[in-house]
Amino acid sequence: QSVLTQPPSVSGAPGQRVTFSCTGSRSSIGAGYDVQWYQQLPGTAPKLLIYGNSNRPSGVPDRFSGSKSGTSASLAITGLQAEDEADYYCQSYDSSLSGSVFGTGTKVTVL
Amino acid sequence: QVQLQQWGAGLLKPSETLSLSCAVYGGSFSGYYWSWIRQPPGKGLEWIGEIKHSGRTSYSPSLRSRVTISVDTSKRHFSLNLKSVTAADTAVYYCARGDGDYVGVYLDYWGQGTLVTVSP
Repeated sequence: QSVLTQPPSVSGAPGQRVTFSCTGSRSSIGAGYDVQWYQQLPGTAPKLLIYGNSNRPSGVPDRFSGSKSGTSASLAITGLQAEDEADYYCQSYDSSLSGSVFGTGTKVTVL
Repeated sequence: QVQLQQWGAGLLKPSETLSLSCAVYGGSFSGYYWSWIRQPPGKGLEWIGEIKHSGRTSYSPSLRSRVTISVDTSKRHFSLNLKSVTAADTAVYYCARGDGDYVGVYLDYWGQGTLVTVSP
C-alpha cells in the first residue's frame, strides 16, 4: 500500500544528470516528516543512500543528492555511472497510517 | 560494524504461521527501531512493522491483525510472526535497524533477506 508515488523508470547516458521525484501527501512528506532514499542492486538488500531529506551516510558518493519541498522529494544523480543502474525507493512516515511507507520505486537505466 | 543475520523457514503452506528471527551483532541494541520489511517477487518494498528495545511496537495497518514483532534484548534478537499466510505473503523478508526520531526513521543496516514461499 504505497502512498509515496515515484516514476517507474528513468534513464540517462553515462556522465549525465538524472533526477526523479517522490510524491506524498499532507499526512506524510507534507507534514514535515523526513524522506529517505535507498538503492537496491539486483538480488541484494536495499542500501541507505540519503537520510533526513539530504544527508548522505559515510561512503555514499556526493554524486547523490536529495531535496524536499512541500509534499514531494527528489533524488538527483550527477555524473551517472554504469554502477548506478538499480532500483531506488523513497521512504517516509505517514501519520494517517501511523507507520513508515515506501515509494513505488524507480528503475534507473544507464544507456 | 553492525551486522544483522536473519533466519527462518522458507517454505510454508497456506494457513501456517511465518516465523523469522534476526540477530544483531555489534553496536548498541537499545535506542533503535528494529524493523521488518518485505518485497514480493518483482515488486516494491513494503514496511511490515517495528519494535523498540522497550517492546513498543508499530505495525502496518494492512497486516496488523496477523503480525506480531517481539524482541529478546538479552539475546539481541528480534522476531517476526505472521499468521494465516496465503500466497500473497510470498516475498523476500528483510530485517533492518531503524534510527531517527519523531520526524522520521531511516533504515541504516539490513539483513541479507529470506525468501519465504507460500505454496500448497
